[in-house]
Amino acid sequence: NAGVTQTPKFQVLKTGQSMTLQCAQDMNHNSMYWYRQDPGMGLRLIYYSASEGTTDKGEVPNGYNVSRLNKREFSLRLESAAPSQTSVYFCASRPGDSYGYTFGSGTRLTVV
Amino acid sequence: GENVEQHPSTLSVQEGDSAVIKCTYSDSASNYFPWYKQELGKRPQLIIDIRSNVGEKKDQRIAVTLNKTAKHFSLHITETQPEDSAVYFCATNFGNEKLTFGTGTRLTIIP
Repeated sequence: NAGVTQTPKFQVLKTGQSMTLQCAQDMNHNSMYWYRQDPGMGLRLIYYSASEGTTDKGEVPNGYNVSRLNKREFSLRLESAAPSQTSVYFCASRPGDSYGYTFGSGTRLTVV
Repeated sequence: GENVEQHPSTLSVQEGDSAVIKCTYSDSASNYFPWYKQELGKRPQLIIDIRSNVGEKKDQRIAVTLNKTAKHFSLHITETQPEDSAVYFCATNFGNEKLTFGTGTRLTIIP
């Protein structure tokens, strides 16, 4: 039981490049989330998926897109990376009958 | 709007003393209040949570208290130890399926 798995762990992009952050959970959770963490700003929600087939914007969605590929996988795509997207990205999931999140180990992204 | 304020942003306490971190929230629809601990370079991990029908919950050295009237909840850590040094985040759900987090408190335990 791996929990929530994120790949890659580290990534450096040049401005304008694109990439997809992958997230998969093996706990049969319904809901999945993408947050970014910046110093002094806590964790801010980018997008979430309350169930397979649905996605919704969070607090800071601009510059990102998501895909809920199936119940296990929820990916985050940066189409044209900008230095302001330099951050640590966390994926999280939770079951339908509980609010407690399980987080992945994070992806540290640097855009130069 | 959905806002969570967390104080203080940094806190240093002597080993063995108690630490208290407080959060206030803006919407009375909130019914779930978790606390997460994040060690340096690691993922946030849930350490304790409380629902709106309970005023206090304890788990060994940590406790959470909730005052729904005043819209605030607090994390209490007693008999602090060096391994308690970390960043702590409060959060709440504002009655929906997503969590909004506070900005974090960096707790340092001084040996």
